[in-house]
Amino acid sequence: NAGVTQTPKFRILKIGQSMTLQCTQDMNHNYMYWYRQDPGMGLKLIYYSVGAGITDKGEVPNGYNVSRSTTEDFPLRLELAAPSQTSVYFCASKYSGGFWEQYFGPGTRLTVT
Amino acid sequence: DQQVKQNSPSLSVQEGRISILNCDYTNSMFDYFLWYKKYPAEGPTFLISISSIKDKNEDGRFTVFLNKSAKHLSLHIVPSQPGDSAVYFCAASASSGGSNYKLTFGKGTLLTVNP
Repeated sequence: NAGVTQTPKFRILKIGQSMTLQCTQDMNHNYMYWYRQDPGMGLKLIYYSVGAGITDKGEVPNGYNVSRSTTEDFPLRLELAAPSQTSVYFCASKYSGGFWEQYFGPGTRLTVT
Repeated sequence: DQQVKQNSPSLSVQEGRISILNCDYTNSMFDYFLWYKKYPAEGPTFLISISSIKDKNEDGRFTVFLNKSAKHLSLHIVPSQPGDSAVYFCAASASSGGSNYKLTFGKGTLLTVNP
């Protein structure tokens, strides 16, 4: 199993541009999450999904959108990029039921200038 | 409002000694706690967890202690090894209220183990 994969690894965007961060997991996990990590800070939840077709906002959803059309994929869309969205983005997934551990991807480092 | 606090940004210990990383929480609804380890340019990896029905959980060199009355948990690493050098994140979750297993993370503690 590849686990959780994220593309791209790095990206530089100009202010106002848009992009989609890709996340795929091959563990048949129903739950998927998007976090951002700013320097010296913990991870903050942007959006999450409990299954295909079901998404909900986390702690910091403004400026982002998500969709979940399949179990495997959970893309994060940035519209009208702003310097405040410069961060490292992590996607995670977990089993349904009573398992609490989330499995993380390697991250995407995004710079908006 | 930080609900999970790791008040030590960094910790330095000698190889072979004990490392103790601390975490405090404020939300009394939290009843499941996890520790993650993160190397530079990688995603966090799960290390160990504890449910609020326990006060201790061990896995090899790693032990997590939970003091519910103090809303405090700690991660002990014995003996510490240079490969343990990483950022350690404490995370908490509430099993009720439709939490959907969402995790609230602390800011992390950078552990450096010196040979």
